[in-house]
Order: sequence, then structure tokens, then C-alpha cells
Amino acid sequence: NAGVMQNPRHLVRRRGQEARLRCSPMKGHSHVYWYRQLPEEGLKFMVYLQKENIIDESGMPKERFSAEFPKEGPSILRIQQVVRGDSAAYFCASSPVQTGDTQYFGPGTRLTVL
Amino acid sequence: SQQGEEDPQALSIQEGENATMNCSYKTSINNLQWYRQNSGRGLVHLILIRSNEREKHSGRLRVTLDTSKKSSSLLITASRAADTASYFCATDAGNQGGKLIFGQGTELSVKP
Repeated sequence: NAGVMQNPRHLVRRRGQEARLRCSPMKGHSHVYWYRQLPEEGLKFMVYLQKENIIDESGMPKERFSAEFPKEGPSILRIQQVVRGDSAAYFCASSPVQTGDTQYFGPGTRLTVL
Repeated sequence: SQQGEEDPQALSIQEGENATMNCSYKTSINNLQWYRQNSGRGLVHLILIRSNEREKHSGRLRVTLDTSKKSSSLLITASRAADTASYFCATDAGNQGGKLIFGQGTELSVKP
């Protein structure tokens, strides 16, 4: 059973470009979470999705950030018009049920904005 | 906002010694989890303890939970150089859905 997969592992963008981060949850997991980790800090929750639904986006910046988890295919975190402050590691996690269960993390995508 | 706090922020010990890390949180929880992160890597799940549990063991790891004090501790016994990593506690934020609230982490260095 493959773990949570994220790609790309490293992404370099210039200011103003778009960044697309992909996450494939573990097999059998229908709950996906995105977290952001700034340098020397802990992880901060961004968004929680189930298939075709955004359940909780309370941690998402109001502008430029969006996420989806379509019926088919991976979950996508999209950052439009990136700025230097978006440089961080973005982690995806999945779980088979919502509350009270272990979340399994992917290796992360490290975004660098030049 | 609700956020766990861990102490110490950094811990340096010799191989073979025990390492204890503490975590405090602010609101009621359903469970608390500990994760390890090696430098530049993803998070590895270590152990989950539910709010009705007081202690849990997994190999060289021992986790305690005191819900009255809103605190947890992670003990690593007989540490090894390979245990060098950052350790994070994460709570499930009670009734706020599935999201995890992470602490700032403890950076553990085990010297051979």
C-alpha cells in the first residue's frame, strides 16, 4: 500500500507565476488535509477536503489560494500569483475517516519563490 | 488561536540517554498525536493517544496524557543517533473537525 504521494517534491516559481501542488492520498483514504510549514516553524492547517467537497478551509489565505479534490485524480493545491512569502514546505495528509484517526503525511512539496 | 506548545525547543543528549519532550495545549481534545520529522523530510507518525487514555507505549516510546493539565509527554528511552529529528505534538482541535493543530516542535539531537 503506497503512502501519500506528493509531486513535485521541489518547485521553483518566479513572483507572479502559478504553483500547482498535487497530492494522492493513501489507497482507501477519502479525507485529505493540506498543511504549510514555514522555515523553523510547525505545521499550520490550511484546508480539509473530501471527494468533491471542501469541508474546512479556515486556514486558507483569502486570496490566491484554492484547493480541490475531484472525484477522479489527485487533490490539487493551487497558488496564483505567488509571492516570496509563499515559499514554504506544503504537506498533504490523508486519513480513512475524519475525526479521531491518524493522519498520514506525504513527503511534502518545497516551494521556492524567486 | 489554539496551538500546542512544546518544551524544550531544543534538546541535546548522548546516545543511550532518555529524552523527554513535553507538549501543552489549550482546549479539549479527542486525541493527541506525536510525529517525527527528519530535516527536510515529511512527517512520520509515531503514536496516537486518545483523551480517555493516560499512557501508551510503542517500542522505545512512551506517551502520557494528562487532560486535566492539558499536557502530554513523549519519552524516548535508550536514545540512538538515528532519533535525531524534530518532534511535534498535534491535537485534533476537539469539535473543530479533522484538522490537526501542531506545536512548534522540539529539536532533538542525539550525539553518538
